[in-house]
Amino acid sequence: AQKVTQAQTEISVVEKEDVTLDCVYETRDTTYYLFWYKQPPSGELVFLIRRNSFDEQNEISGRYSWNFQKSTSSFNFTITASQVVDSAVYFCALSGPEYTGGFKTIFGAGTRLFVKA
Amino acid sequence: KAGVTQTPRYLIKTRGQQVTLSCSPISGHRSVSWYQQTPGQGLQFLFEYFSETQRNKGNFPGRFSGRQFSNSRSEMNVSTLELGDSALYLCASMAGTLGANEQFFGPGTRLTVL
Repeated sequence: AQKVTQAQTEISVVEKEDVTLDCVYETRDTTYYLFWYKQPPSGELVFLIRRNSFDEQNEISGRYSWNFQKSTSSFNFTITASQVVDSAVYFCALSGPEYTGGFKTIFGAGTRLFVKA
Repeated sequence: KAGVTQTPRYLIKTRGQQVTLSCSPISGHRSVSWYQQTPGQGLQFLFEYFSETQRNKGNFPGRFSGRQFSNSRSEMNVSTLELGDSALYLCASMAGTLGANEQFFGPGTRLTVL
């Protein structure tokens, strides 16, 4: 069965610090997709990134970067020079064809990030 | 392009009542999924509809049901409400048919059962 583990429940940093959010996943699929979503206090989840299982290239988008390592089944997310506006709950998610005829996205428990000014 | 909309945003019901929540996906998106979010259980998948057909279902009792209309709008119904049904119910729409695509979430409906 698919599983996503975000071991860090809460992280608190001071503005301008770098922070890494960990995500470890389990799946029997060879083709799967990994996602990160951000949920600010307003409640609406916002898509950040998608990565497929065949693309282990790391990605950088502004202050955000993602490190995907199949060997350790991890898809970690780093925020460089954090800002107060980064305070939110961050979810890692996994989607795969385990369920024929449809898809089911499994979310991790989320990591709540507090960035203090 | 308008985002995913959910109505109502807030709802208060009492035990034993039933409730219907509505979701309008992004125009052109035919897949709609529903999730329940609670502090204890996190984000849990309820079901997914595509072209008016339920394609997948999570591990929820039969009191939770849904449907999708020809215009892709979806409704979710919970009958015989229990206190534990208090949660934020999120709807997400997706373009395409595969799990490869990102989901676009609505603001959610916060249901409180008294």
